[in-house]
Amino acid sequence: EVVLTQSPATLSLSPGEGATLSCRASQSVDNYLVWYQQKPGQAPRLLIYDASNRATGIPARFSGSGSGTDFTLTITNLEPEDFAVYYCQQRKYWPPITFGQGTRLEIK
Amino acid sequence: EVQLLESGGGLVQPGGSLRLSCVASGFTFSTYAMNWVRQAPGRGPEWVSYIRDSRIHYADSMKGRFTISRDDSKNTLYLQMNSLRVDDTAVYYCAKILRSASADQIFDSWGQGTLVTVSS
Repeated sequence: EVVLTQSPATLSLSPGEGATLSCRASQSVDNYLVWYQQKPGQAPRLLIYDASNRATGIPARFSGSGSGTDFTLTITNLEPEDFAVYYCQQRKYWPPITFGQGTRLEIK
Repeated sequence: EVQLLESGGGLVQPGGSLRLSCVASGFTFSTYAMNWVRQAPGRGPEWVSYIRDSRIHYADSMKGRFTISRDDSKNTLYLQMNSLRVDDTAVYYCAKILRSASADQIFDSWGQGTLVTVSS
């Protein structure tokens, strides 16, 4: 099973700042890495798939990069609605599909 | 607009059973693989099961206890859950994948979830 480790666990930033979230895989998943955003009481929302492809309707301030075992989600110019929990997910080796434990992006 | 509406959750005692349903609309249901994903309180998502045509997969901890099925004539996905345990307590989501006629596990649409609580 591929283990995904996200860091940091919590990131405290102010609106207008930039955020860098990390996801590390226990073995190479090539570019088969997906990012989701989840707000309280809501289902996860697809942001980025296959490491760097923005999903439909996702603002350009969200970008993904990386390949192999190290991946980054970058959010520039944070908006108030961006404060949420972010999860990565791998789809290279399944079953099982695995998710990271999440990074909470909170307002400083 | 894609819509996924889960139902069937509730309170059940350990060892009990529940059947979850997910009614889909806004897309050609029969051409898409579907999944169940659950999320325990305060935890990250956990993949449960996948179905596409006759191909079915389960997470190891659900094998032999959970059964996924679908009725394409009713645009409905099901999850039969037996021998429920306290650690099965979670919100259960059905999730559609991004591309039709594929097995690319990218979950682009999720339902609102249905809460399953296993407790005595």
